[in-house]
Order: sequence, then structure tokens, then C-alpha cells
Amino acid sequence: EVQLVESGGGLVQPGRSLKLSCAASGFTFSNYYMAWVRQAPKKGLEWVATISTSGSRTYYPDSVKGRFTISRDNAKSSLYLQMNSLKSEDTATYYCARRGSGYYDGTYYSGWFAYWGQGTLVTVSS
Amino acid sequence: DTVLTQSPALAVSPGERVTISCRASESVSTLMHWYQQKPGQQPKLLIYLASHLESGVPARFSGSGSGTDFTLTIDPVEADDTATYYCQQSWNDPWTFGGGTKLELK
Repeated sequence: EVQLVESGGGLVQPGRSLKLSCAASGFTFSNYYMAWVRQAPKKGLEWVATISTSGSRTYYPDSVKGRFTISRDNAKSSLYLQMNSLKSEDTATYYCARRGSGYYDGTYYSGWFAYWGQGTLVTVSS
Repeated sequence: DTVLTQSPALAVSPGERVTISCRASESVSTLMHWYQQKPGQQPKLLIYLASHLESGVPARFSGSGSGTDFTLTIDPVEADDTATYYCQQSWNDPWTFGGGTKLELK
């Protein structure tokens, strides 16, 4: 059974840093792209970051580019999100997710989030 | 960014057929995916690539569409389907989600 368990959330002051972790189990972690998705309180979902299987390629939306860094340790089956220069608008539940992909009609597709963790809440406030 | 527009809320009776729409501000080909989120829970993948049913998801759920207009259909609706449904595209960068449609049962 695929399991993704996030940790590291909490209350942090604006401008400070926080690092989230995600422990993966139930699948060969090193074979999958992984991602972070967040959800502000009572709001919708926002993709935050994606990382390739080896960690050599990372992708971010402009809203977090330059402040957030996604990384992974395949030996530990763990995913991380380093968040710097935090702002109040970064307040959200952060979900770890496994990216879905596959060949369909001979074409490779990807980009959906097949499995999600339960999330960890980050509150940015003074 | 590609904006995905969903109706905010729908109310249906158990046993009925419901369609939830998602309109994209530009073409996303068939790279549209659907999720169900119940209160206090993480999202759950229902449909990927517009029409592919995720393993373990009841066949009452189906998806269709391409380009800019997509629908998620639940037929028949059951009481347990009370949730918020989100669409998400992965054709254009950055990947974006719709605002969600809250489905309530009468």
C-alpha cells in the first residue's frame, strides 16, 4: 500500500524558514517523480513543486520560485520542501504527492497526482 | 497561467445523474484530471487524462472532454459522493487547479 506521511509543519514568523519532510513507503520511491501541492485554509489547491526521479530536475510556479526548494533522498525514500522567506500567503496545508504517468496509445503522458499524503499545516504569522 | 473555471456548487438527489464542468482558458489537450476531496481529507484521484478511470474508483464516475471543455459525470449519485471536486491541468506550465465544485446531496 502506498503511504506518504508529511511532517515538519507548524507556526513560523514571516521571513523565516521551515523544512517539510515526506516519508514514502509501499512503492519504489526512486522510480517516481514526486511533488508538493498546497491548500490555503478553505481555499483551492495549488501546485508548489515537482522533482524528477534522480533529483536533477526541479519545477516550480512563479509564486514560490526562488524561495522554495524541493529535494529528495532516494536512499531514505524521503521528499523534502525547504521554504525560505515565508509570507503570510504561504499559510496552507502542504501535501506530498506521487506524480502519475504512463504510455497511452503509444504516447507518454504525465502530470496528475496519483497518491497524496494526509498533509501538514504551515501557519505563517507573527 | 491557464485558468480552470468550475461552478461553485451543485445540489442533487441520490440516484440522479450529475455533471460537473471545468472550462479552461486555453487548450489543455486531454491533460485534464479530476479529484474528490471530502472534508478534512486529502484529495483523491478519480479520473486522469480526461477519461481514464483510476483503479479502484467506482464506474459511476466518468470523464470526458478535450481542448477547453471537460465534464466529470457521476451516475448514479450516492450519499457518500458529498465532497468538493477539483479539475487540474498538466498541459500548460504551471499546472493549475480549478476552484472546486462543492457537491451536496438533497
